[in-house]
Amino acid sequence: DAGVTQSPTHLIKTRGQQVTLRCSPKSGHDTVSWYQQALGQGPQFIFQYYEEEERQRGNFPDRFSGHQFPNYSSELNVNALLLGDSALYLCASRVADFYGYTFGSGTRLTVV
Amino acid sequence: AQSVTQLGSHVSVSEGALVLLRCNYSSSVPPYLFWYVQYPNQGLQLLLKYTTGATLVKGINGFEAEFKKSETSFHLTKPSAHMSDAAEYFCAVTLISSGSARQLTFGSGTQLTVLP
Repeated sequence: DAGVTQSPTHLIKTRGQQVTLRCSPKSGHDTVSWYQQALGQGPQFIFQYYEEEERQRGNFPDRFSGHQFPNYSSELNVNALLLGDSALYLCASRVADFYGYTFGSGTRLTVV
Repeated sequence: AQSVTQLGSHVSVSEGALVLLRCNYSSSVPPYLFWYVQYPNQGLQLLLKYTTGATLVKGINGFEAEFKKSETSFHLTKPSAHMSDAAEYFCAVTLISSGSARQLTFGSGTQLTVLP
């Protein structure tokens, strides 16, 4: 049973560019959350998607946006990249009425 | 709002020694509590979780944690450390209240080093 799949695994972008990260949730999961983990820190909640809608958002600017597709997969978009956006971006999925999250291995984004 | 404090960003133990990683939480409503482990260049793996019921929770790889409401703590322990336990450990909290997105709030992590 495949877990949470994220792509790409690594990415290098230039300041001011835009980036799209992708996530396929674990089979049977319908809720997807995105987290940003800066070097040496714990993950920070960005937002959560359920039924193709953003349900809750953390303390991140509007440059961070997302989407969920009918097959429950999700994208995270970041516009106007800053050096401070360099981080590991983690996707986590769960069933709506359950608290158990499954995390992907993440996408390492480097902004230069 | 909820928050998590992990005491000690780095902990070193000898192989075979007791592992104790500390976690204190702050929550206005009853919390659910989690411990995750992260190996280099990997995502997070769930070690154990407390939701309701028994306050002593057993997880994978011989780890356990005890929920102490009076102390607002959820410390992680393992009787005997193995070299393979070397990793970063994160404590996390989420709220039980209905309507919540149930996002996880993480501590800043504790890097565990196991010495031969």
